[in-house]
Amino acid sequence: DGGITQSPKYLFRKEGQNVTLSCEQNLNHDAMYWYRQDPGQGLRLIYYSQIVNDFQKGDIAEGYSVSREKKESFPLTVTSAQKNPTAFYLCASSFSGGAYTGELFFGEGSRLTVL
Amino acid sequence: KNEVEQSPQNLTAQEGEFITINCSYSVGISALHWLQQHPGGGIVSLFMLSSGKKKHGRLIATINIQEKHSSLHITASHPRDSAVYICAVRESGNEKLTFGTGTRLTIIP
Repeated sequence: DGGITQSPKYLFRKEGQNVTLSCEQNLNHDAMYWYRQDPGQGLRLIYYSQIVNDFQKGDIAEGYSVSREKKESFPLTVTSAQKNPTAFYLCASSFSGGAYTGELFFGEGSRLTVL
Repeated sequence: KNEVEQSPQNLTAQEGEFITINCSYSVGISALHWLQQHPGGGIVSLFMLSSGKKKHGRLIATINIQEKHSSLHITASHPRDSAVYICAVRESGNEKLTFGTGTRLTIIP
């Protein structure tokens, strides 16, 4: 079955450590996104990528980094520079071509807790 | 700046009731998405629409572009419909989405 797989589902980190969240899709989608969700707030865009080897900062990119070496994969690294990293992280993907961006498909999310 | 507002924030209803969730936005858009987030956190796309009305099973989504407003309706609601429903809009000419804060729906048997 096609879909998006995020791992790990739960992750605990000590302050000062970098952690990487995995996102893999087999939907042949061009565009991939990382969102952060905090209680009482709408999803906020961290980074997005429309093609391999290219990505753009979203609204809250500080303290995060990404790579897009393969179409299927878009890992997110939460660095020690992120001051408040405890949150729920969601990866999504969609077809994207010119002015058209299609339906969004989401992973199950990764919950990061900083101890 | 595009603002997306949903109402109500919380909604509790009895099984079988007709449910309406509203979404208003402030800029021109190319598409509006309705999403469903389950208690475990996973999100499922329900609808993507840019005009008119779409129906899937007991769910109906409508959009009025002139009034910058969309509604999600659930007919014959069921406890399994309990979830957070999120509206998201894509501004015209922009790849980014702006999300509402969600409506938490609880259906009581």
